[in-house]
Amino acid sequence: GAVVSQHPSWVICKSGTSVKIECRSLDFQATTMFWYRQFPKQSLMLMATSNEGSKATYEQGVEKDKFLINHASLTLSTLTVTSAHPEDSSFYICSASGRGRDTQYFGPGTRLTVL
Amino acid sequence: QKEVEQDPGPLSVPEGAIVSLNCTYSNSAFQYFMWYRQYSRKGPELLMYTYSSGNKEDGRFTAQVDKSSKYISLFIRDSQPSDSATYLCAMSARSGGSNYKLTFGKGTLLTVNP
Repeated sequence: GAVVSQHPSWVICKSGTSVKIECRSLDFQATTMFWYRQFPKQSLMLMATSNEGSKATYEQGVEKDKFLINHASLTLSTLTVTSAHPEDSSFYICSASGRGRDTQYFGPGTRLTVL
Repeated sequence: QKEVEQDPGPLSVPEGAIVSLNCTYSNSAFQYFMWYRQYSRKGPELLMYTYSSGNKEDGRFTAQVDKSSKYISLFIRDSQPSDSATYLCAMSARSGGSNYKLTFGKGTLLTVNP
């Protein structure tokens, strides 16, 4: 199989605080991890791509200073939403691809609510 | 014209029906085609992965790719209420490596009624 986990599954925070979301590949080495954002009844919107040991590549319109991505190992990537605001409330999903895996495998998602 | 077009539905069918889901695309560089199933408030789950034109069957699911028409399909036989979900088509020009990305359709919401 190809299992990707995310933690936490949901988080509520106050406006102005920072939130960290973890994405782990449990049974394969993820050379590339992706972070998506999804609004209700909409498709996935790619935010950034990260390769292990390299800086993330952000999609146009995504603030790299607000959404900090770290991919320090072949099994872990983190997304930190800094100084969160209510408009950052969304469903964040990571995916991973890597050695022996021809496509992306998704985590279960993290629901962020900023009050 | 969007790179990938997918009818968002919603599509409602009775249990046991054959379901046909489709996507069209414009980028002839796409070689790898996927179908993901996404339940509400969950991450997408890979259902089918195909390379180039042809058919692939897995249980009740059949994926078809027609590169000459730039058209892909997913068929679900003997549909069950548990198949109720959003189905996303996705495609890419590469199978992996750096800068590898998927292009998604908007997703089709399917409801299978008991």
